[in-house]
Amino acid sequence: GAVVSQHPSWVICKSGTSVKIECRSLDFQATTMFWYRQFPKQSLMLMATSNEGSKATYEQGVEKDKFLINHASLTLSTLTVTSAHPEDSSFYICSVMLGRNTGELFFGEGSRLTVL
Amino acid sequence: DQQVKQNSPSLSVQEGRISILNCDYTNSMFDYFLWYKKYPAEGPTFLISISSIKDKNEDGRFTVFLNKSAKHLSLHIVPSQPGDSAVYFCAAYYSVGNEKLTFGTGTRLTIIP
Repeated sequence: GAVVSQHPSWVICKSGTSVKIECRSLDFQATTMFWYRQFPKQSLMLMATSNEGSKATYEQGVEKDKFLINHASLTLSTLTVTSAHPEDSSFYICSVMLGRNTGELFFGEGSRLTVL
Repeated sequence: DQQVKQNSPSLSVQEGRISILNCDYTNSMFDYFLWYKKYPAEGPTFLISISSIKDKNEDGRFTVFLNKSAKHLSLHIVPSQPGDSAVYFCAAYYSVGNEKLTFGTGTRLTIIP
């Protein structure tokens, strides 16, 4: 069964609005979740590491104020794209690491954001 | 600096034949290597992995080979099936590091019926 669930799976919004994407860990307490972004025909880009109860760790070049991450509980992390613009349109995917020894990530279904 | 590279952006293979996807890495500290499969508009799914202490790991139709001296790994799929058509990502992990996977750029595999 699924380990990670994302919602919504797709969202269309107007430029300037904010969009929240939820990532839930099912039957698994995740102190850390990872948020990825995939542009068309490109690789998976790690945006940030979400840490339960503390601030997220952002990768170089990712705007912290643009992509707000909150990890309020062991089963929920949220990514809010603030004041979205068309260039923010992308496929956002969250994941949890099942085993720190092997690095195996379990990904959510992904969320397609389209900003008009 | 691309630490994990997949030099073939696409590959087409006849159904029933063997598909070989390649991946190269530069960081000798990586101790686990993973392959993920991704369909459009879906999250990646884990396929198979290999520890750096091994040179081969097999799971059904999927076999991953690791050549540490060449810093090269490959994924073999045999026989290839139409449902194998997807983008395949190679990833590397350093277990004593910062818990981040480093992904390659992916190879789009198309199985021709």
